Amino acid sequence: GENVEQHPSTLSVQEGDSAVIKCTYSDSASNYFPWYKQELGKRPQLIIDIRSNVGEKKDQRIAVTLNKTAKHFSLHITETQPEDSAVYFCAAGIRDDKIIFGKGTRLHILP
Amino acid sequence: DAGVIQSPRHEVTEMGQEVTLRCKPISGHNSLFWYRQTMMRGLELLIYFNNNVPIDDSGMPEDRFSAKMPNASFSTLKIQPSEPRDSAVYFCASSRGTGTGELFFGEGSRLTVL
Repeated sequence: GENVEQHPSTLSVQEGDSAVIKCTYSDSASNYFPWYKQELGKRPQLIIDIRSNVGEKKDQRIAVTLNKTAKHFSLHITETQPEDSAVYFCAAGIRDDKIIFGKGTRLHILP
Repeated sequence: DAGVIQSPRHEVTEMGQEVTLRCKPISGHNSLFWYRQTMMRGLELLIYFNNNVPIDDSGMPEDRFSAKMPNASFSTLKIQPSEPRDSAVYFCASSRGTGTGELFFGEGSRLTVL
């Protein structure tokens, strides 16, 4: 079955700097790669997703890249702000079936 | 729509007791997922349903766990008997199931087994 590895587990960046979170997946059949943000005590919420026919997608300060050959995908947050502090989860699946999550990255934005 | 509704929000029980967690998905969503979240293991997929049919339960830890979806608007996750290591936040999520992708999570049920 699918296995998703996520790094780093914790990340601290200065406010205004960029943050990068990386994931790898194992199942070459996976074609859907969402990213979820979970604030403390809240539910995970989708922030951006990418499908296998696209190599990169951007939404304001957030971008995702996908390398299907290497089975790597990454989340990039630019000009980080205090409200970006949260746990971020990458995930992989086939369409929206059996979405498997990485273990999460706790992002701290330092003032 | 009110979103995915889970109950109870918090449950404290003693080892050996039966626990039943409940979920009402968003109306019109065809897929329903149960996840368990712990610090050590992150978000683990336990089971998911499509059109009320269990598609994959390979994530269910052991026979003490069972899940049902008797109709399109209700699902249960049952643990019997419960053990301290079952303590976690259990999330239910639903999606349209048409390939659009997004999972909509409930607020979760925090289970503590003493």
